[in-house]
Amino acid sequence: QKEVEQNSGPLSVPEGAIASLNCTYSDRGSQSFFWYRQYSGKSPELIMSIYSNGDKEDGRFTAQLNKASQYVSLLIRDSQPSDSATYLCAVNRGLSGGSNYKLTFGKGTLLTVNP
Amino acid sequence: SAVISQKPSRDICQRGTSLTIQCQVDSQVTMMFWYRQQPGQSLTLIATANQGSEATYESGFVIDKFPISRPNLTFSTLTVSNMSPEDSSIYLCSGWTSGYNEQFFGPGTRLTVL
Repeated sequence: QKEVEQNSGPLSVPEGAIASLNCTYSDRGSQSFFWYRQYSGKSPELIMSIYSNGDKEDGRFTAQLNKASQYVSLLIRDSQPSDSATYLCAVNRGLSGGSNYKLTFGKGTLLTVNP
Repeated sequence: SAVISQKPSRDICQRGTSLTIQCQVDSQVTMMFWYRQQPGQSLTLIATANQGSEATYESGFVIDKFPISRPNLTFSTLTVSNMSPEDSSIYLCSGWTSGYNEQFFGPGTRLTVL
């Protein structure tokens, strides 16, 4: 069973701080990694994708990938109350998992940004 | 990315009945999927909806319980059959386009079974 693990949370940070969200995965064949944001009562919204080792920045969000350590993270700089949501890490299964377009999701980390 | 709509947005059903959920995408997508998100849990893939053929089900999910159709590239249905309270969940449709390698979700259907 291929797994995706996220730090359990909940995570609480003050407004303006950096929020750090972490994820590890077990399938070494995985090549695509995604972070979704899910507000309470809403569906997941894709906010970042990363495919290569290193950092990828998009506005206040930075995704980091280390395939050797099977680790992916999301940093949110200058956190805002509107960032308060559950963040889901998703990893494609790789060919050994049946098809590389299928995703396995972590359980999510609830982030609260306090004004 | 394409926009996905689902109907109904929510429903309350009696045990033993069935509910069909519709998913419509505003443009063609390569793949369509159905997920379940139980209260307080993450997303679990139920099946891949294949155009014009039987869906591909994940371990733990069977066609008799969750029949799926996909008659064309933009529409799919999921039926939750012979429902029990354990089927109370949010059911989400998603689409994946090979050109973008991104999967995006519909708004979900919140199902409560009494």
